[in-house]
Amino acid sequence: DSGVTQTPKHLITATGQRVTLRCSPRSGDLSVYWYQQSLDQGLQFLIQYYNGEERAKGNILERFSAQQFPDLHSELNLSSLELGDSALYFCASRGQVNTGELFFGEGSRLTVL
Amino acid sequence: ILNVEQSPQSLHVQEGDSTNFTCSFPSSNFYALHWYRWETAKSPEALFVMTLNGDEKKKGRISATLNTKEGYSYLYIKGSQPEDSATYLCAFREDKIIFGKGTRLHILP
Repeated sequence: DSGVTQTPKHLITATGQRVTLRCSPRSGDLSVYWYQQSLDQGLQFLIQYYNGEERAKGNILERFSAQQFPDLHSELNLSSLELGDSALYFCASRGQVNTGELFFGEGSRLTVL
Repeated sequence: ILNVEQSPQSLHVQEGDSTNFTCSFPSSNFYALHWYRWETAKSPEALFVMTLNGDEKKKGRISATLNTKEGYSYLYIKGSQPEDSATYLCAFREDKIIFGKGTRLHILP
């Protein structure tokens, strides 16, 4: 158990809908990273937050947004969903050591029908 | 565009044999290089964090080396065992943490 919690584990929804994925980092970790893993693709970096502020952005679509709250949990909002958004979405947190490794949650599997 | 390349994509190795694979990354703006092991139906777990040119890290039968000047890292597995079957990811850290697509290792009994 990495200490990172993601909910829901599985989500099935229809095109055009909006979903919210939630992540609670390890106790004490201030950094949260979001990644998308689609079929045959590696882990694609979406966005990073540190202590409530956006720190770095990857190839995150405009239909997607995220935030990190004062209690350090983070939410990834995906709207106007398309079939191609079906993927495994991972959240990871990093400890206070700047070069430190990521601790991954179990992922949220999104299926868009 | 930051490119982290891993080779080979896939590898079949006989149990007991040793193997290695490569991660190449940009040689500028280096901050850290991570190796992760990702078993099927689980989440990636960190193996090594490497920060200095010439770093060598070892954990049991697995070791890694780092060359930041030429932008590559090698992961070595000695005496492969069935439980080594997994995807091995490297990740390059600058302001973001960018992952390669991984090397999928299959150990043949």
